[in-house]
Amino acid sequence: GDSVTQMEGPVTLSEEAFLTINCTYTATGYPSLFWYVQYPGEGLQLLLKATKADDKGSNKGFEATYRKETTSFHLEKGSVQVSDSAVYFCALSGPRDDKIIFGKGTRLHILP
Amino acid sequence: NAGVTQTPKFQVLKTGQSMTLQCAQDMNHEYMSWYRQDPGMGLRLIHYSVGAGITDQGEVPNGYNVSRSTTEDFPLRLLSAAPSQTSVYFCASSYSGGTSHPRVVYEQYFGPGTRLTVT
Repeated sequence: GDSVTQMEGPVTLSEEAFLTINCTYTATGYPSLFWYVQYPGEGLQLLLKATKADDKGSNKGFEATYRKETTSFHLEKGSVQVSDSAVYFCALSGPRDDKIIFGKGTRLHILP
Repeated sequence: NAGVTQTPKFQVLKTGQSMTLQCAQDMNHEYMSWYRQDPGMGLRLIHYSVGAGITDQGEVPNGYNVSRSTTEDFPLRLLSAAPSQTSVYFCASSYSGGTSHPRVVYEQYFGPGTRLTVT
């Protein structure tokens, strides 16, 4: 069945560092891909999405590109801030799925 | 537009007690779902619904019941609480593919969560 694999955390970076969180997927057909963010004590929020190959989703300085050839959707940010400290989830929704498949989440700590 | 609301925010139960976690959305979404989140386990799907009157089991349905009598509400019932059900519970909703693809789900909107402790 469909699945999502993302890098395990925690990831600890200094403020203004470059961030990459890797995400790869397995799916039949052409799924939609998502990144969600969960701040402490809150529910998940959609951060960005891409619905077809080569699409780039972006929001709040974060970007991810839908790479069909490598089945990847890596999350990147050029300069992280302390306020980016959160748990990040990669997810997919396949054309034959009736549910969203989530990765296990990656905890990010940004040090001032 | 309140989005997805959940009540209560916190709850403590004794083993064997029953209760209902409430979830409501005002976005006219067809699709609603319940997840539990445990440390190191990510999100696990409990039950979901593609529309009023239709419910399906997710990954971890045992010990939970749901019903969907209206588009707006999707309550989760714990029949006889157990310590293993101590967790944070999230409700989510989304548009689906409509009448042509009712089981295709798009990006989900999450509620703030209910933190449940069973002693």
